[in-house]
Amino acid sequence: GAVVSQHPSWVICKSGTSVKIECRSLDFQATTMFWYRQFPKQSLMLMATSNEGSKATYEQGVEKDKFLINHASLTLSTLTVTSAHPEDSSFYICSVGASGSSETQYFGPGTRLLVL
Amino acid sequence: DAKTTQPNSMESNEEEPVHLPCNHSTISGTDYIHWYRQLPSQGPEYVIHGLTSNVNNRMASLAIAEDRKSSTLILHRATLRDAAVYYCILAGYGTGKLIFGQGTTLQVKP
Repeated sequence: GAVVSQHPSWVICKSGTSVKIECRSLDFQATTMFWYRQFPKQSLMLMATSNEGSKATYEQGVEKDKFLINHASLTLSTLTVTSAHPEDSSFYICSVGASGSSETQYFGPGTRLLVL
Repeated sequence: DAKTTQPNSMESNEEEPVHLPCNHSTISGTDYIHWYRQLPSQGPEYVIHGLTSNVNNRMASLAIAEDRKSSTLILHRATLRDAAVYYCILAGYGTGKLIFGQGTTLQVKP
């Protein structure tokens, strides 16, 4: 399967600042990447689908101006949490969609964000 | 999106087989059945997937009912490292999306 990395693995920031999280596909050219958010003791929630060279598709209820996604190359997608607030503290996970019709995804290790 | 139903938690003894059930009575003909697992503080890990036939790989086996309304993930010999949350997900062809439910938390006792 694809190897996916995320950077940083954890970040602490002050309320009101913006935080950028990188997701890299190390051995696979990914036209599609996905961003998820996971609160403590809850399941993963899909936030958006990141498409290389085009705008991301956001799930219902996810603010596109709050969570900026850029997928400028086949190996890199970034998620920027703008004007972060304590309620944005969460575990953010990206994944790469494998080619073919089975819809298999390979996940990054996640980024833990704490907003003070 | 077609929904799956899994028990909230299960326990197993180390070195014994584990059968994790999943019900998906509203599955459509083009839905793949996927299993992922998530260890604490890590991203999910792909385990196995199938469409109609039973599947085996180095991690597990997937047994799919003939009517496809249920499936079972089989870990042949549980180890302490298999303690995780196991998610059964239906992935519709061409959608690209995985919608996670609550999964089954598997505890493995030494």
